[in-house]
Amino acid sequence: QVQLVESGGGLVKPGGSLRLSCVGSGFTFKNYFLSWIRQAPGKGLEWISFLSGSSSYTHSADSVKGRFTISRDNAKNSLYLQMNNLRAEDTAIYYCARVFCSGGVCRMQNYFDSWGHGTLVTVSS
Amino acid sequence: EIVMTQSPATLSVSPGERATLSCRASQGVGSNLAWFLQKPGQSPRLLIYGASTRAPGIPARFSGSGSGTEFTLTISSLQSEDFAVYYCQHYNDWSPTFGGGTKVEIK
Repeated sequence: QVQLVESGGGLVKPGGSLRLSCVGSGFTFKNYFLSWIRQAPGKGLEWISFLSGSSSYTHSADSVKGRFTISRDNAKNSLYLQMNNLRAEDTAIYYCARVFCSGGVCRMQNYFDSWGHGTLVTVSS
Repeated sequence: EIVMTQSPATLSVSPGERATLSCRASQGVGSNLAWFLQKPGQSPRLLIYGASTRAPGIPARFSGSGSGTEFTLTISSLQSEDFAVYYCQHYNDWSPTFGGGTKVEIK
């Protein structure tokens, strides 16, 4: 079955950097748009960034543009999120999610059909 | 950015009763709307997509309706495992947004 497993979270000081990873299995990884979504403690969900299967298309939320970079290595079935210049408000559980693909047509504008368990990032001095 | 507003914030319901959750979009999103359920300590789980289509494995007591700006999630007869937080989310453009959530608690 489809599995997404995040790692790389931890405690980092304001202004610091962190790289999150998400390994996918149970599906043809290179075909799918993937996304990062976060959830601050006790709060709702915030979409952060998309990346297409070929890495040709990407789009990110204004709240992270210029600080966070999404990338992937399809040979390793891995998605990454490089987070720089971290702020206290970036403290959250970060989820990796797959965008549904229908009949071989994969597009960014579709629902998230599978989620990982998340990895916690805490930004604090 | 399309703002998604869910109501009520908290819904107190007795087991076996019906629950009706609302979601409103600040501009039309067609039927490009999904509902998720999240239990404490777990990641969100897809319930409904296309505003009204149940995801694989989701029981028939869950139903979604609406289009444009007004959407509803109905749980016909609440089971113990249904008490959780529910989120709506639009995917009508390249910047999906989620509602603030409705917590369904035991009355």
